[in-house]
Amino acid sequence: AQKVTQAQTEISVVEKEDVTLDCVYETRDTTYYLFWYKQPPSGELVFLIRRNSFDEQNEISGRYSWNFQKSTSSFNFTITASQVVDSAVYFCALSEAATGRRALTFGSGTRLQVQP
Amino acid sequence: GAGVSQSPSNKVTEKGKDVELRCDPISGHTALYWYRQSLGQGLEFLIYFQGNSAPDKSGLPSDRFSAERTGGSVSTLTIQRTQQEDSAVYLCASSGQLYQETQYFGPGTRLLVL
Repeated sequence: AQKVTQAQTEISVVEKEDVTLDCVYETRDTTYYLFWYKQPPSGELVFLIRRNSFDEQNEISGRYSWNFQKSTSSFNFTITASQVVDSAVYFCALSEAATGRRALTFGSGTRLQVQP
Repeated sequence: GAGVSQSPSNKVTEKGKDVELRCDPISGHTALYWYRQSLGQGLEFLIYFQGNSAPDKSGLPSDRFSAERTGGSVSTLTIQRTQQEDSAVYLCASSGQLYQETQYFGPGTRLLVL
C-alpha cells in the first residue's frame, strides 16, 4: 500500500530564513508520481509541482526548490528566503501508475508559519 | 481560464438530513475527483470519474455517500442521512485525460452537521 509521511506537523520561521519541508513516501510501484500542494488560509489547494519516478533531477522555481531522492524515498521541498505569504499548510502527495488508481494519497501536511 | 468551482461554499444541516454538493470542473477536463478533508482523517479520496468509464468508488466511506456526473461535466456528491462525523470540507478536483495528469482543486464546500 502507498503511504506518504510528513513528520513535521508545524514549522515556524522568521522571514528571510530558509526552510525545508520533508516528505517520505512508500510504494511498491516502480512508476509513480509525486506532488506538492499549498493550502493557504483561504483553503484552496494550489498545485506547486509534479514529478515522475524516472526523473530525479532537482527542480528550482524562483525561491522554491525540490530534492527528489529515490534512494531514501524522499521528495523534500525547500523555500529560500521565506516570506510571510509563504505561510500555509503544505501537502505532499503520491499516485501510483501500476494499480491504475489515479487517486492521490496525501501526507498529513506541514503547517508553515513565517513571522515578519 | 476558469478553475474548478464548487457550491455551496458552506452548508449547515441537521443530523439525518440529505445534502447535495456540486462541482463544476475545468472546461475540457475529463477526469473529476472528490476528496474529503477533516481534522481527524486528513485528506481522503472519495470517488473518481473518467469520461464514460465506471467510476472508482473505492474511497466512499459508506453507502450513504453517492455521486454522479452528468454529461461528462458537472458532478453532484450526495450524502444521505447526514451524521456529525460527515462534517468536513469536501474538495473537488479535475484533470485532463492523460494518465496521471495534475489534479486542480476547487475551493471546497465546508459542511457542518449539527
